[in-house]
Amino acid sequence: DTEVTQTPKHLVMGMTNKKSLKCEQHMGHRAMYWYKQKAKKPPELMFVYSYEKLSINESVPSRFSPECPNSSLLNLHLHALQPEDSALYLCASSHVAGEAFFGQGTRLTVV
Amino acid sequence: AQRVTQPEKLLSVFKGAPVELKCNYSYSGSPELFWYVQYSRQRLQLLLRHISRESIKGFTADLNKGETSFHLKKPFAQEEDSAMYYCALSPGTGRRALTFGSGTRLQVQP
Repeated sequence: DTEVTQTPKHLVMGMTNKKSLKCEQHMGHRAMYWYKQKAKKPPELMFVYSYEKLSINESVPSRFSPECPNSSLLNLHLHALQPEDSALYLCASSHVAGEAFFGQGTRLTVV
Repeated sequence: AQRVTQPEKLLSVFKGAPVELKCNYSYSGSPELFWYVQYSRQRLQLLLRHISRESIKGFTADLNKGETSFHLKKPFAQEEDSAMYYCALSPGTGRRALTFGSGTRLQVQP
């Protein structure tokens, strides 16, 4: 299995909702990442987990809360988002010094 | 701070023509450089990394540390090469915390 699987594919949420994005990989990768991609823009790094510990937070607002419950799973908990947070959220994983594999993304719309 | 610059938003060529997608970077250390490609309706995938010095799908890229460039080249473009291409940089610490350039859309016309 050489895929990174993200669920859901699409998500519409209100500004008062709490939702979670999920990411799963079974390639034995110990580094996992969240990126945000706005329309017609490149992906921007949000968080990096290395061996299930948060190692990089790119000054992301606290309304985004990452979680890595085990080496195969990565979650992104969302709370009190703003319409400008609408974007494609990409998960990726890699061996620490290897190729990064990307998921298809979750397209999030905040209404 | 690291930065990746791709000066062309769109590059349109005819089938069989040579292609060069430009990428310049700024980083104070020894980065690793990558080219990622995104075909229509597909996920982002790695095309090349400078360490491996491979040729993938006829594409090559050479890291020029003096000019801080990592241009992507192909001698004869094919229609199936049409896609969005991103140059990306990772600090040489191993983790793939990538900084992407703004991307170049390559259109190969028949």
